[in-house]
Amino acid sequence: EAQVTQNPRYLITVTGKKLTVTCSQNMNHEYMSWYRQDPGLGLRQIYYSMNVEVTDKGDVPEGYKVSRKEKRNFPLILESPSPNQTSLYFCASSFGGAGTGELFFGEGSRLTVL
Amino acid sequence: GENVEQHPSTLSVQEGDSAVIKCTYSDSASNYFPWYKQELGKGPQLIIDIRSNVGEKKDQRIAVTLNKTAKHFSLHITETQPEDSAVYFCAAGISGYSTLTFGKGTMLLVSP
Repeated sequence: EAQVTQNPRYLITVTGKKLTVTCSQNMNHEYMSWYRQDPGLGLRQIYYSMNVEVTDKGDVPEGYKVSRKEKRNFPLILESPSPNQTSLYFCASSFGGAGTGELFFGEGSRLTVL
Repeated sequence: GENVEQHPSTLSVQEGDSAVIKCTYSDSASNYFPWYKQELGKGPQLIIDIRSNVGEKKDQRIAVTLNKTAKHFSLHITETQPEDSAVYFCAAGISGYSTLTFGKGTMLLVSP
């Protein structure tokens, strides 16, 4: 089954404790991206990757890191989480860029930073 | 950069009524306009998209219209059903480019 898998789905952590949210897709997509969803703000792009070892900033990259060492994986790293990073996070992938065609989203990771 | 405005933020209709959600965009270079539906507890899913070389596209009860001159596009859902209840996002982007700008979303509630 074609899918984007995120882990963990739910996480409560404390300020400053490094965490990683993993994302994996099984569709051989070149493009992957991370979004955060906040009430009243919609979906905002954090980082994206057009291919292995190619990453770029989205609209709200501060406080986040990403890496793309393999085509199927695109982890989101919060080196020192802060309460303003409490949010619902989505990973997405597609064959081309986001403006090319359908984005396939994961089911989301709800993060709470205390 | 691109800015997408979406209205209304919430919309309540009776089952069987029509629902219309409107979006405007700012970048005249944008030529790809998808709509995503997000059900409770799930990720957004593409329901329909339109490119700037067409003015309207239909898929069963769903249609999207595009007015490039006015820089606005709309989602039309006819004969609404309770399972249409969800959050709907419009977005704008440029074909071949890496980013898509989303609207803030519309929560649609269809009452039986």
